[in-house]
Amino acid sequence: GALVYQYPRRTICKSGTSMRMECQAVGFQATSVAWYRQSPQKTFELIALSTVNSAIKYEQNFTQEKFPISHPNLSFSSMTVLNAYLEDRGLYLCGARDWEYEQYFGPGTRLTVL
Amino acid sequence: GQQVQQSPASLVLQEGENAELQCNFSTSLNSMQWFYQRPGGSLVSLFYNPSGTKHSGRLTSTTVIKERRSSLHISSSQTTDSGTYLCALEGASSSFSKLVFGQGTSLSVVP
Repeated sequence: GALVYQYPRRTICKSGTSMRMECQAVGFQATSVAWYRQSPQKTFELIALSTVNSAIKYEQNFTQEKFPISHPNLSFSSMTVLNAYLEDRGLYLCGARDWEYEQYFGPGTRLTVL
Repeated sequence: GQQVQQSPASLVLQEGENAELQCNFSTSLNSMQWFYQRPGGSLVSLFYNPSGTKHSGRLTSTTVIKERRSSLHISSSQTTDSGTYLCALEGASSSFSKLVFGQGTSLSVVP
């Protein structure tokens, strides 16, 4: 079956430091990868979309300078939260899909910023 | 504006009662997914339902594109059904793979 793994599951970083999170798709080709964030007491919002052979598209309020994303092949993606502050805390989800099929989500990386 | 309106925001049921969760959307639709969010935050995909009705055990999802709505019906609720339910849509005019999530319904089933 199709599975998406995310690492780490939980992480704590000091304010002003950076942390990298990874997303691994197994059992299907991740032709597109979407990164979402759920801030405390809120629903999920899209950070950026990465589709194979296309430029990564960032949503309003999110930038490549703050959330650089790598999508080097059809099974892996990573995103870094640079210079993290309190407002960056939350659950980061990676959603991957193979073209028009259903999007599969990983378990998320929960970021705490001290 | 808000593309996805989910209702109710919260719901308390007696065990055995049925629940009807609604998701209304203001844009044309490519796909609709329903998720259960575990207490730890991870999402469990319940239905991928662009149109029509789908069944899975005690759960039924119905998406009516013309009326721009999707519903999740839980029959004979159990205490283990408690948690947050989210709908997410991929609009026809939005970027490929962009899911817009509803605000969620917090369901509590009491014995």
